[in-house]
Amino acid sequence: QKEVEQNSGPLSVPEGAIASLNCTYSDRGSQSFFWYRQYSGKSPELIMSIYSNGDKEDGRFTAQLNKASQYVSLLIRDSQPSDSATYLCAVHGGSQGNLIFGKGTKLSVKP
Amino acid sequence: EAGVTQFPSHSVIEKGQTVTLRCDPISGHDNLYWYRRVMGKEIKFLLHFVKESKQDESGMPNNRFLAERTGGTYSTLKVQPAELEDSGVYFCASSQDFGGNVYEQYFGPGTRLTVT
Repeated sequence: QKEVEQNSGPLSVPEGAIASLNCTYSDRGSQSFFWYRQYSGKSPELIMSIYSNGDKEDGRFTAQLNKASQYVSLLIRDSQPSDSATYLCAVHGGSQGNLIFGKGTKLSVKP
Repeated sequence: EAGVTQFPSHSVIEKGQTVTLRCDPISGHDNLYWYRRVMGKEIKFLLHFVKESKQDESGMPNNRFLAERTGGTYSTLKVQPAELEDSGVYFCASSQDFGGNVYEQYFGPGTRLTVT
Protein backbone atom coordinates (compact mmCIF):
# COMPACT_ATOMS: atom_id res chain seq x y z
CA GLN A 1 0.00 0.00 0.00
CA LYS A 2 1.63 3.21 -1.18
CA GLU A 3 1.27 5.96 1.39
CA VAL A 4 1.97 9.63 1.82
CA GLU A 5 2.19 10.96 5.36
CA GLN A 6 1.75 14.52 6.53
CA ASN A 7 1.34 16.08 9.94
CA SER A 8 -2.30 17.16 10.03
CA GLY A 9 -1.54 20.24 12.13
CA PRO A 10 -2.79 22.78 12.62
CA LEU A 11 0.51 24.54 12.09
CA SER A 12 0.31 28.08 13.38
CA VAL A 13 2.92 30.69 12.43
CA PRO A 14 2.99 34.48 12.85
CA GLU A 15 2.75 36.73 9.83
CA GLY A 16 6.14 37.22 8.20
CA ALA A 17 7.60 33.98 9.53
CA ILE A 18 8.70 30.93 7.57
CA ALA A 19 6.21 28.07 7.46
CA SER A 20 7.70 24.61 7.01
CA LEU A 21 5.50 21.77 5.80
CA ASN A 22 6.75 18.21 5.62
CA CYS A 23 5.77 15.03 3.83
CA THR A 24 7.14 11.49 3.66
CA TYR A 25 6.25 8.81 1.15
CA SER A 26 6.55 5.05 1.14
CA ASP A 27 7.14 4.18 -2.52
CA ARG A 28 10.85 4.47 -3.26
CA GLY A 29 10.07 4.37 -6.99
CA SER A 30 8.14 7.65 -6.88
CA GLN A 31 9.37 10.15 -9.44
CA SER A 32 7.20 13.26 -9.27
CA PHE A 33 6.11 15.29 -6.29
CA PHE A 34 3.55 18.03 -5.97
CA TRP A 35 2.25 20.51 -3.44
CA TYR A 36 -1.35 21.65 -3.65
CA ARG A 37 -3.02 24.39 -1.65
CA GLN A 38 -6.69 23.99 -0.78
CA TYR A 39 -8.84 26.67 0.75
CA SER A 40 -11.90 25.47 2.59
CA GLY A 41 -14.57 24.32 0.16
CA LYS A 42 -12.38 24.99 -2.87
CA SER A 43 -10.44 22.86 -5.32
CA PRO A 44 -6.83 21.81 -4.74
CA GLU A 45 -4.60 24.34 -6.48
CA LEU A 46 -1.21 23.21 -7.77
CA ILE A 47 1.49 25.48 -6.37
CA MET A 48 4.73 23.54 -6.75
CA SER A 49 6.10 20.50 -8.54
CA ILE A 50 9.52 18.95 -8.05
CA TYR A 51 11.18 16.05 -9.81
CA SER A 52 14.86 16.13 -8.80
CA ASN A 53 16.69 16.07 -5.51
CA GLY A 54 17.41 19.48 -4.08
CA ASP A 55 15.56 22.74 -3.85
CA LYS A 56 13.18 24.44 -6.26
CA GLU A 57 12.18 28.03 -5.63
CA ASP A 58 9.18 29.94 -6.95
CA GLY A 59 8.54 33.29 -5.39
CA ARG A 60 7.97 32.84 -1.66
CA PHE A 61 7.72 29.06 -2.04
CA THR A 62 10.59 26.57 -1.94
CA ALA A 63 10.08 22.85 -2.44
CA GLN A 64 12.77 20.49 -1.19
CA LEU A 65 13.17 16.86 -2.22
CA ASN A 66 15.35 14.15 -0.73
CA LYS A 67 14.67 10.84 -2.48
CA ALA A 68 17.13 8.91 -0.30
CA SER A 69 15.14 9.89 2.78
CA GLN A 70 11.81 9.76 0.91
CA TYR A 71 11.05 13.24 2.15
CA VAL A 72 9.48 16.31 0.54
CA SER A 73 9.02 19.68 2.15
CA LEU A 74 7.53 23.05 1.32
CA LEU A 75 8.82 26.28 2.80
CA ILE A 76 6.74 29.43 2.66
CA ARG A 77 8.74 32.57 3.35
CA ASP A 78 7.20 35.81 4.63
CA SER A 79 3.97 33.98 5.44
CA GLN A 80 0.79 35.97 4.93
CA PRO A 81 -2.70 35.45 6.41
CA SER A 82 -3.83 34.64 2.87
CA ASP A 83 -1.54 31.59 2.98
CA SER A 84 -3.82 30.06 5.60
CA ALA A 85 -5.12 26.89 3.96
CA THR A 86 -4.62 23.14 3.88
CA TYR A 87 -1.50 22.05 2.02
CA LEU A 88 -1.64 18.69 0.30
CA CYS A 89 1.41 16.66 -0.63
CA ALA A 90 0.91 14.39 -3.66
CA VAL A 91 3.24 11.80 -5.10
CA HIS A 92 3.31 9.99 -8.41
CA GLY A 93 5.42 7.04 -9.25
CA GLY A 94 5.48 3.95 -11.39
CA SER A 95 3.58 3.31 -14.57
CA GLN A 96 0.19 4.59 -13.49
CA GLY A 97 -0.86 8.20 -13.82
CA ASN A 98 -2.66 8.69 -10.56
CA LEU A 99 -1.48 10.79 -7.66
CA ILE A 100 -1.33 9.55 -4.09
CA PHE A 101 -2.25 12.23 -1.60
CA GLY A 102 -1.50 12.84 2.03
CA LYS A 103 -4.30 14.01 4.30
CA GLY A 104 -2.92 17.53 4.27
CA THR A 105 -1.50 19.96 6.80
CA LYS A 106 -3.66 22.86 7.90
CA LEU A 107 -1.65 26.08 8.09
CA SER A 108 -2.82 29.12 10.01
CA VAL A 109 -0.92 32.39 9.63
CA LYS A 110 -1.75 34.81 12.44
CA PRO A 111 -1.63 38.58 11.76
CA GLU B 1 -7.81 29.47 -20.53
CA ALA B 2 -10.78 27.90 -18.77
CA GLY B 3 -10.01 25.51 -15.96
CA VAL B 4 -11.56 22.16 -15.14
CA THR B 5 -15.28 22.51 -14.56
CA GLN B 6 -17.62 20.16 -12.75
CA PHE B 7 -21.37 19.92 -12.48
CA PRO B 8 -23.27 19.95 -10.22
CA SER B 9 -21.44 21.61 -7.35
CA HIS B 10 -23.69 19.91 -4.82
CA SER B 11 -26.04 16.96 -5.00
CA VAL B 12 -28.22 15.52 -2.27
CA ILE B 13 -29.92 12.23 -3.08
CA GLU B 14 -31.54 9.41 -1.21
CA LYS B 15 -30.04 5.99 -0.83
CA GLY B 16 -30.89 3.88 -3.84
CA GLN B 17 -31.17 6.78 -6.26
CA THR B 18 -28.91 7.48 -9.21
CA VAL B 19 -26.64 10.46 -9.64
CA THR B 20 -24.50 11.50 -12.60
CA LEU B 21 -21.55 13.82 -12.17
CA ARG B 22 -19.97 15.66 -15.08
CA CYS B 23 -16.46 16.91 -15.66
CA ASP B 24 -15.14 19.11 -18.46
CA PRO B 25 -11.35 19.04 -18.55
CA ILE B 26 -9.04 21.80 -19.70
CA SER B 27 -9.17 21.99 -23.47
CA GLY B 28 -6.48 19.86 -25.07
CA HIS B 29 -5.82 17.75 -22.01
CA ASP B 30 -5.92 14.09 -22.98
CA ASN B 31 -5.66 12.80 -19.43
CA LEU B 32 -8.71 12.97 -17.18
CA TYR B 33 -8.83 11.65 -13.62
CA TRP B 34 -11.55 11.15 -11.07
CA TYR B 35 -10.76 11.31 -7.36
CA ARG B 36 -12.88 11.22 -4.24
CA ARG B 37 -12.44 12.57 -0.75
CA VAL B 38 -14.62 11.18 2.01
CA MET B 39 -14.88 12.93 5.37
CA GLY B 40 -11.66 12.80 7.35
CA LYS B 41 -9.74 10.88 4.71
CA GLU B 42 -7.24 11.78 2.03
CA ILE B 43 -8.12 12.35 -1.61
CA LYS B 44 -8.16 8.96 -3.31
CA PHE B 45 -7.87 8.02 -6.95
CA LEU B 46 -10.82 6.43 -8.74
CA LEU B 47 -9.88 6.18 -12.39
CA HIS B 48 -7.90 7.61 -15.27
CA PHE B 49 -8.88 8.20 -18.89
CA VAL B 50 -6.50 8.81 -21.74
CA LYS B 51 -8.71 10.38 -24.36
CA GLU B 52 -11.75 8.08 -24.47
CA SER B 53 -10.00 4.98 -23.11
CA LYS B 54 -9.90 3.86 -19.51
CA GLN B 55 -6.22 3.66 -18.64
CA ASP B 56 -6.64 2.64 -15.03
CA GLU B 57 -9.80 2.03 -13.05
CA SER B 58 -8.20 0.28 -10.11
CA GLY B 59 -9.59 2.82 -7.65
CA MET B 60 -13.25 2.32 -8.51
CA PRO B 61 -14.87 1.00 -5.33
CA ASN B 62 -17.40 -1.34 -6.94
CA ASN B 63 -19.63 -1.90 -9.95
CA ARG B 64 -22.14 0.70 -8.81
CA PHE B 65 -19.77 3.28 -10.27
CA LEU B 66 -19.63 3.77 -14.04
CA ALA B 67 -17.42 6.31 -15.75
CA GLU B 68 -17.51 7.29 -19.39
CA ARG B 69 -15.67 9.70 -21.63
CA THR B 70 -17.35 9.57 -24.98
CA GLY B 71 -15.40 11.32 -27.71
CA GLY B 72 -12.51 11.98 -25.38
CA THR B 73 -13.88 15.31 -24.19
CA TYR B 74 -16.05 15.56 -21.10
CA SER B 75 -16.55 12.68 -18.69
CA THR B 76 -19.43 11.48 -16.57
CA LEU B 77 -19.38 9.43 -13.40
CA LYS B 78 -22.62 7.66 -12.57
CA VAL B 79 -23.39 6.13 -9.20
CA GLN B 80 -26.26 3.66 -9.32
CA PRO B 81 -27.69 2.84 -6.85
CA ALA B 82 -26.14 5.27 -4.39
CA GLU B 83 -25.26 4.10 -0.88
CA LEU B 84 -24.58 6.16 2.25
CA GLU B 85 -20.84 5.50 2.06
CA ASP B 86 -20.70 7.13 -1.37
CA SER B 87 -21.02 10.55 0.25
CA GLY B 88 -18.00 12.76 -0.24
CA VAL B 89 -16.45 15.26 -2.60
CA TYR B 90 -15.74 14.01 -6.10
CA PHE B 91 -12.92 15.80 -7.86
CA CYS B 92 -11.99 15.70 -11.49
CA ALA B 93 -8.52 16.60 -12.70
CA SER B 94 -6.86 16.83 -16.09
CA SER B 95 -3.33 16.93 -17.41
CA GLN B 96 -1.37 16.99 -20.62
CA ASP B 97 0.85 14.08 -21.47
CA PHE B 98 4.45 14.43 -22.51
CA GLY B 99 6.19 11.25 -23.53
CA GLY B 100 4.11 9.11 -21.21
CA ASN B 101 5.16 11.01 -18.11
CA VAL B 102 2.64 12.39 -15.71
CA TYR B 103 2.40 16.13 -15.98
CA GLU B 104 0.87 18.47 -13.47
CA GLN B 105 -2.77 17.68 -12.74
CA TYR B 106 -5.25 20.54 -12.45
CA PHE B 107 -8.30 20.02 -10.34
CA GLY B 108 -11.87 21.10 -10.72
CA PRO B 109 -13.95 22.57 -7.89
CA GLY B 110 -15.49 19.20 -7.03
CA THR B 111 -19.01 17.90 -6.60
CA ARG B 112 -20.14 17.46 -3.04
CA LEU B 113 -22.38 14.38 -2.96
CA THR B 114 -24.55 13.68 0.05
CA VAL B 115 -26.49 10.42 0.19
CA THR B 116 -29.22 10.36 2.85
